[in-house]
Amino acid sequence: GENVEQHPSTLSVQEGDSAVIKCTYSDSASNYFPWYKQELGKRPQLIIDIRSNVGEKKDQRIAVTLNKTAKHFSLHITETQPEDSAVYFCAASRGTYNTDKLIFGTGTRLQVFP
Amino acid sequence: DTAVSQTPKYLVTQMGNDKSIKCEQNLGHDTMYWYKQDSKKFLKIMFSYNNKELIINETVPNRFSPKSPDKAHLNLHINSLELGDSAVYFCASSRKAGMNTEAFFGQGTRLTVV
Repeated sequence: GENVEQHPSTLSVQEGDSAVIKCTYSDSASNYFPWYKQELGKRPQLIIDIRSNVGEKKDQRIAVTLNKTAKHFSLHITETQPEDSAVYFCAASRGTYNTDKLIFGTGTRLQVFP
Repeated sequence: DTAVSQTPKYLVTQMGNDKSIKCEQNLGHDTMYWYKQDSKKFLKIMFSYNNKELIINETVPNRFSPKSPDKAHLNLHINSLELGDSAVYFCASSRKAGMNTEAFFGQGTRLTVV
């Protein structure tokens, strides 16, 4: 069935260091891969997404890479700041009308220490 | 001018009771969803509606009954509540099913069944 694995489950970094979170998906028909950030007690919010026709996308300190052959995608945060501390979720979707749903990874709790 | 709003934010109730959660979006989106986030933070799709039509029912017990009176509203009614129903329930919306666009989440409803 559809499954998204996410690693690591927790990640602690020093302010200014980089953080990398990796996901693997099982459904080869997936073609949309968003990343959501959820601060404590808040709603998930989209931070970046990538579609299957692109291998890499960057937005300031955040970048996402996609390897469709290996069914891997990763989130890279550079120059981390304490306000980056949150739970990050990767997700995958087929994006067709009857399968329009996000399959989420299990989340990564990122802690950035000043 | 909250984009996706849910009520109530907190709900504490006894086993066996029936309760409802309401959701409204003012983004003009066609598609709305219910997701469940359990105590381990795992986010899982429950239902998806596109313009009042149910398009995804993710093997949720039939004690859970969604209703979409119009495309801006999606409510969730839960009968005979069980301890295992305790979770945070998130409503979300996106522009249109099958378009792979950002899902906007509500602030969540924390349901506690005692």
